[in-house]
Amino acid sequence: NAGVTQTPKFRILKIGQSMTLQCTQDMNHNYMYWYRQDPGMGLKLIYYSVGAGITDKGEVPNGYNVSRSTTEDFPLRLELAAPSQTSVYFCASSYPKGGGPSPLHFGNGTRLTVT
Amino acid sequence: GNSVTQMEGPVTLSEEAFLTINCTYTATGYPSLFWYVQYPGEGLQLLLKATKADDKGSNKGFEATYRKETTSFHLEKGSVQVSDSAVYFCALSEDNYGQNFVFGPGTRLSVLP
Repeated sequence: NAGVTQTPKFRILKIGQSMTLQCTQDMNHNYMYWYRQDPGMGLKLIYYSVGAGITDKGEVPNGYNVSRSTTEDFPLRLELAAPSQTSVYFCASSYPKGGGPSPLHFGNGTRLTVT
Repeated sequence: GNSVTQMEGPVTLSEEAFLTINCTYTATGYPSLFWYVQYPGEGLQLLLKATKADDKGSNKGFEATYRKETTSFHLEKGSVQVSDSAVYFCALSEDNYGQNFVFGPGTRLSVLP
């Protein structure tokens, strides 16, 4: 059972370049999320999706775009990379239901450096 | 807004020592509380949770009790192992939806043999 899979694991970008971080999950979860993790900070939500075709901004969406064409995939696009986007990016998924909190399932992260 | 505060790290302990990682929270409602663990090179994994006051979450020898009167959810383990070396995140959510999770900054634990 693969869970949440992210690619690539590492990437170095030059300022102004663009790239797409891939995320796929095989648990049939309807909710998916992108977080960034900066040193000494908690995770910050970039974008989330409640199902195919539906996305919404989180706390720090500027400089990023997402799409959700299928239940399984939730890619994150960086346009015009900036040094401030140097971070570790985590994709997560969940299946909210009644009766109690639904835990987040995380991928192993993508470490991005913009120079 | 809601927030989570954790003790500053890093925490360095010898194997078999007692562990406490403090976590306090601020919330407008009645949140569920969580501890997540991140092992080197991996994503976060749910360690334990508690959904209401006085609940005790436990897993892998770790425990935390939801204390509403002190707005705390401290993580404890009686005897740590080298394999417990990781970063620990306290988090809260007031509903079932991941977009409303609030994470603390994380506390790095190193256990020495």
